[in-house]
Amino acid sequence: AQKVTQAQTEISVVEKEDVTLDCVYETRDTTYYLFWYKQPPSGELVFLIRRNSFDEQNEISGRYSWNFQKSTSSFNFTITASQVVDSAVYFCALGSGWIQGAQKLVFGQGTRLTINP
Amino acid sequence: DGGITQSPKYLFRKEGQNVTLSCEQNLNHDAMYWYRQDPGQGLRLIYYSQIVNDFQKGDIAEGYSVSREKKESFPLTVTSAQKNPTAFYLCASSIDQSSVYEQYFGPGTRLTVT
Repeated sequence: AQKVTQAQTEISVVEKEDVTLDCVYETRDTTYYLFWYKQPPSGELVFLIRRNSFDEQNEISGRYSWNFQKSTSSFNFTITASQVVDSAVYFCALGSGWIQGAQKLVFGQGTRLTINP
Repeated sequence: DGGITQSPKYLFRKEGQNVTLSCEQNLNHDAMYWYRQDPGQGLRLIYYSQIVNDFQKGDIAEGYSVSREKKESFPLTVTSAQKNPTAFYLCASSIDQSSVYEQYFGPGTRLTVT
């Protein structure tokens, strides 16, 4: 069975601090995809990154970086020099396994990040 | 601009009434999805559709129904059989049904049933 665990329910930091959001996943498939989405107060989920299971390179995009480690089944997300606009709920998701011709996404419970000025 | 529209943003209904949530996309995506989000929880899949005139039950399909008569439209009906319908509903689409492609989400509809 596929499962995603985001152990941190809520995180609150002061602006300009670095913050890391943890994501641990479970799957028996050798080919799978991991995603991070941001949900601002408006409600719409915004895609941030997709990583496939064969690419363990870390990725950096501006203040955002992602650390993928297959050995620990983790795909953590770090925001450097956080800003108030980073306040949102962040979801980690796993896409693996084919059921009835589709790969469904399994979402973690989300981490609510609050950046205080 | 390409994207997904959901209407209305807020919806109020009395218990026992069916209600239909609209979802339209102009991204020319084959796959479309409906998710339910409850406070403090992740998204749970209600129904998904890979092509026109075809759809599959997700993890929590009981009390819901869908149709896919057009590629761009995937309406969700919340029936009176759904025991706890009050929730935030999100529609999404992707190029196809594999995880190679990310899903794009609409702004959501917040349904309140009293």
